[in-house]
Amino acid sequence: SQQGEEDPQALSIQEGENATMNCSYKTSINNLQWYRQNSGRGLVHLILIRSNEREKHSGRLRVTLDTSKKSSSLLITASRAADTASYFCATSYGNKLVFGAGTILRVKS
Amino acid sequence: SQTIHQWPATLVQPVGSPLSLECTVEGTSNPNLYWYRQAAGRGLQLLFYSVGIGQISSEVPQNLSASRPQDRQFILSSKKLLLSDSGFYLCAWSGVLSGEQFFGPGTRLTVL
Repeated sequence: SQQGEEDPQALSIQEGENATMNCSYKTSINNLQWYRQNSGRGLVHLILIRSNEREKHSGRLRVTLDTSKKSSSLLITASRAADTASYFCATSYGNKLVFGAGTILRVKS
Repeated sequence: SQTIHQWPATLVQPVGSPLSLECTVEGTSNPNLYWYRQAAGRGLQLLFYSVGIGQISSEVPQNLSASRPQDRQFILSSKKLLLSDSGFYLCAWSGVLSGEQFFGPGTRLTVL
């Protein structure tokens, strides 16, 4: 299976702390993307990192990609209660995305 | 700006009944369109995708079918629903050249 796997499955932190989520995948990719899903809602695209990039920033988000280890990490700095959601990595193959099972992040205020 | 609509938001159907879920996109032309299913607490499973009118690729064998009668309309159907068809169905679109996908609000389907 090409499916990515995130860890941890669930993460609970205090407001203001940083949250780190990891994603591993199995085959070569075009790019890797991170999405966020609030409970019962559609997914929202957060950031895309191409296979020739190693790090990318967007606001409080920092994504790294290590193609030699087939892994990526998403760091959310200075977390807020509103960051509580599920976070998914998705690997891109042609026109398709393959999603992992996600990390449930809970930020306590 | 582009928007994506799905309806209905919630649906409860008996086993053996037909299904039709509709997805429409506004503000873009010739999008790639996708149907996903998400089981409770799980990631998304790609069901179908389409790169143009009448062009449908099926990712997993199942009780469902998809059609794209117009450029910005994507329909998910079933002739007879099974209990296992329950789930959260998400439609998404992407540009031909861009990588990111944009999701609709989803339809929660419960088959009883």
